[in-house]
Amino acid sequence: QSALTQPPSASGSPGQSVTISCTGTSSDVGGYSYVSWYQQHPGKAPKLMIYEVIKRPSGVPDRFSGSKSGNTASLTVSGLQAEDEADYYCCSFAGSNNLLFGGGTKLTVL
Amino acid sequence: QLQLQESGPGLVKPSETLSLTCTVSGGSISSTSSYWGWIRQPPGEWLEWIGNIYYSGSTYYNPSLESRVTISVDTSKNQFSLKLSSVTAADTAVYYCASTIGGYTAFEWWGQGTLVTVSS
Repeated sequence: QSALTQPPSASGSPGQSVTISCTGTSSDVGGYSYVSWYQQHPGKAPKLMIYEVIKRPSGVPDRFSGSKSGNTASLTVSGLQAEDEADYYCCSFAGSNNLLFGGGTKLTVL
Repeated sequence: QLQLQESGPGLVKPSETLSLTCTVSGGSISSTSSYWGWIRQPPGEWLEWIGNIYYSGSTYYNPSLESRVTISVDTSKNQFSLKLSSVTAADTAVYYCASTIGGYTAFEWWGQGTLVTVSS
């Protein structure tokens, strides 16, 4: 069982917005501003989409945004496109030099 | 653009030590702005952080694996390595090496990954 809880699936139609949640505790997600999000297509390495809760690496479209409230972090994908269909993983610093990943969410573009 | 490439045996016997190397190109492993890490993903499962190293040799390990993990760096070869001892079938996974951005908690550049199977 993964340490951070994500819904197993999410879906939306092209052009719509979808939000994926990542729930932890006050010892990880809620305690630090070090939440990151990764996109992973089948058979490929993960790709960093968001880091430090809200920051986007160079080259990531601004359709992807991150936020956090309490012990839950969220990734919002706006203006859904077919190529956004992938697995998404959250990751949080958990103190004591530990990093925790979520169980992943499969995003389907209908 | 930074490139990372994992290398090592694809098959390891139970109770033996898994050894992988990550070769970095397009940048220096001695960069003061990056940490270098290992992450794994069992087939069909989620990602698991194994540990990070800084060019100076400072290491940070997943507490659940710490007793079996050693990560080292060779700045002369622009490489860093992973050793995982006493492996079992549960250690079968795709192993990725990666570099961080903004500290050591987010991985910006990734290798393609290498599947390591633990089996006799």
